[in-house]
Amino acid sequence: AQSVTQLDSQVPVFEEAPVELRCNYSSSVSVYLFWYVQYPNQGLQLLLKYLSGSTLVKGINGFEAEFNKSQTSFHLRKPSVHISDTAEYFCAVIFGGATNKLIFGTGTLLAVQP
Amino acid sequence: NAGVTQTPKFRVLKTGQSMTLLCAQDMNHEYMYWYRQDPGMGLRLIHYSVGEGTTAKGEVPDGYNVSRLKKQNFLLGLESAAPSQTSVYFCASSNDRGPPNTEAFFGQGTRLTVV
Repeated sequence: AQSVTQLDSQVPVFEEAPVELRCNYSSSVSVYLFWYVQYPNQGLQLLLKYLSGSTLVKGINGFEAEFNKSQTSFHLRKPSVHISDTAEYFCAVIFGGATNKLIFGTGTLLAVQP
Repeated sequence: NAGVTQTPKFRVLKTGQSMTLLCAQDMNHEYMYWYRQDPGMGLRLIHYSVGEGTTAKGEVPDGYNVSRLKKQNFLLGLESAAPSQTSVYFCASSNDRGPPNTEAFFGQGTRLTVV
């Protein structure tokens, strides 16, 4: 079955430190990859997406992610986090592409501490 | 620029009651989706629609029904609410034009509690 795995349910980090949030997916078929952010009591907002082309994609708020086809991964990184980055981050994948169905990971809570 | 609007934002139901959640989008999107979000489980797809008059089951469809009578609206119904349906429900929409326009837009969510 097609699935998306975010192994870290919570990542604590100090302000101004770098962070990486991990995402792996199950299939090697063609994929479209997304990272969404959810601030407390809000909906989901697109952070960045990979559809084709360069494997390194840059998003809003200084985040970037790298698509690694051989490892079926799409890890999210930021070189220096801020308190305001505290939120839940979801990796999502469209497999194959017929219906645009997004399959979500279970989410990673990024907790930035002063 | 409304985007995706969900009503209501909060609701408390008694076990066995029924209700309908409304999702409206003003972006002329073909595809619409209903997800539920539960702690530690991410977002799980309940039902989706690839166009007006069409619906299909997602990952967790049991206990829910949907209708897409108009392109801009996607309704989610609970016929007989159960405590297991306590969750936050999100509606989303996307177009069918493929990359680079492939992106889902989400509503603000409906927090439903079944007691």
